[in-house]
Amino acid sequence: QLQESGPGLVKPSETLSLTCTVSGGSIGGYHWGWIRQCPGGGLEYIGNIHSGGNTDYNPSLKSRVSISVDTSKNQFSLKLTSVTATDTALYYCARHQAAPSYYLDYWGQGALITVSS
Amino acid sequence: DVAMTQSPVYLPVTPGEPASISCRSSQSLLHSNGNTYLEWYLQKPGQSPQVLIYFASYRASGVPDRFSGSGSGTDFTLKISRVEAEDVGVYYCGQGVQSPRTFGQGTRVDFK
Repeated sequence: QLQESGPGLVKPSETLSLTCTVSGGSIGGYHWGWIRQCPGGGLEYIGNIHSGGNTDYNPSLKSRVSISVDTSKNQFSLKLTSVTATDTALYYCARHQAAPSYYLDYWGQGALITVSS
Repeated sequence: DVAMTQSPVYLPVTPGEPASISCRSSQSLLHSNGNTYLEWYLQKPGQSPQVLIYFASYRASGVPDRFSGSGSGTDFTLKISRVEAEDVGVYYCGQGVQSPRTFGQGTRVDFK
């Protein structure tokens, strides 16, 4: 199971922080991703991190995104800086299936983040 | 980025009847390793997306065999042989051959 946690409301220009807690299995050996779904419904891939620490970010967000992992806590986290109203979305964490397929096989329930003053 | 285009945007269906969704990518999804990185996800109302198909035609674990995927290169199809009540929702195709992963805009499937 994956569970997102974080504040539901973030002020414009501040930093959005979310944590995904993985339970029922080890975070080790997999890639873990963040995906968001804007109010219009479309899915946008934010980026991912391997349990070993290697990251891959969507270039459209790369200057503002940071993903980290804490294997001791079985958690990985997302930070998105300088948020605006366009960052309002439902944020999902998900696991990538192992190589070579890499599809997203387990998803969290999603955390609704609203950017507003 | 690889653009993914789905059609139709809305698909009214009849229980027990077949249904089909198309997905087209702006670039070939065939990887040098021989695998085609096209996935289908279903987002049921109020739920997170769940994978149905990977590698264009491989059913994920637990997915009923009424779902099938086909296609190659840039053109793909998801077929439901007989639509059931639990199949309503939004279907997304997605690609994983090139970073960043991208998804189609979604196809809403609902009963007539």
